[in-house]
Amino acid sequence: EVQLVESGGGLVQPGESLRLSCAASGFTFSAYALSWVRQAPGQGLEWVSTISGSGGSTYSPDSVKGRFTISRDNSKNTVYLQLNSLRAEDTAIYYCAKQSGGIIVPFDFWGQGTLVTVSS
Amino acid sequence: SFVLAQPPSVSVAPGKTARITCGGDNIGNKHVHWYQQRPGQAPVLVISYDDDRPSGIPERFSGSNSENTATLTISRVEAGDEADYYCQVWYSSAEGVFGGGTKLTVL
Repeated sequence: EVQLVESGGGLVQPGESLRLSCAASGFTFSAYALSWVRQAPGQGLEWVSTISGSGGSTYSPDSVKGRFTISRDNSKNTVYLQLNSLRAEDTAIYYCAKQSGGIIVPFDFWGQGTLVTVSS
Repeated sequence: SFVLAQPPSVSVAPGKTARITCGGDNIGNKHVHWYQQRPGQAPVLVISYDDDRPSGIPERFSGSNSENTATLTISRVEAGDEADYYCQVWYSSAEGVFGGGTKLTVL
């Protein structure tokens, strides 16, 4: 059974940093791309970052480039999202999502999310 | 950027058919994926590659995609189908985008 368990969320002040983790099980971790998708309170889904199975390629929208960094440790079956220079508008539930194969494929399993609150 | 337009809400009576649209420039040339998100829960993939139903998704869910509009169709709607539905595509080399979401209300 595929499981994705996020952790690391919390309350931080503007300008601070946070590292989110997503521990995976139930599938051959290194064979699949993984992504982070966020959802601000009462809002829709927003794609944040994607990393290839090997970790050699990463992708993210301009809205977070230079502030957020996705990485993975295939020996630990864990993907990370480093959040720097956080802003109030980064407040959201951050979901870890497994992709069904390569990069430009659907998100076939999602974790339950971890809440990040940026507030002074 | 690539914009996906969804109606904010759709209402349907139980047992009837709900259709949720997702508009985008030549979206028919892209693969569209649909996700269901019940209140307080994580999204679930219900349709992939325009019209493919993942294992465990009822046959009542179907999809189509042509020209500038993709459509998620839910037949014989049940109370448990009440949720937010999002369309999603990949564009350029690897840019992901979601539609704004549609709240399905079962009357």
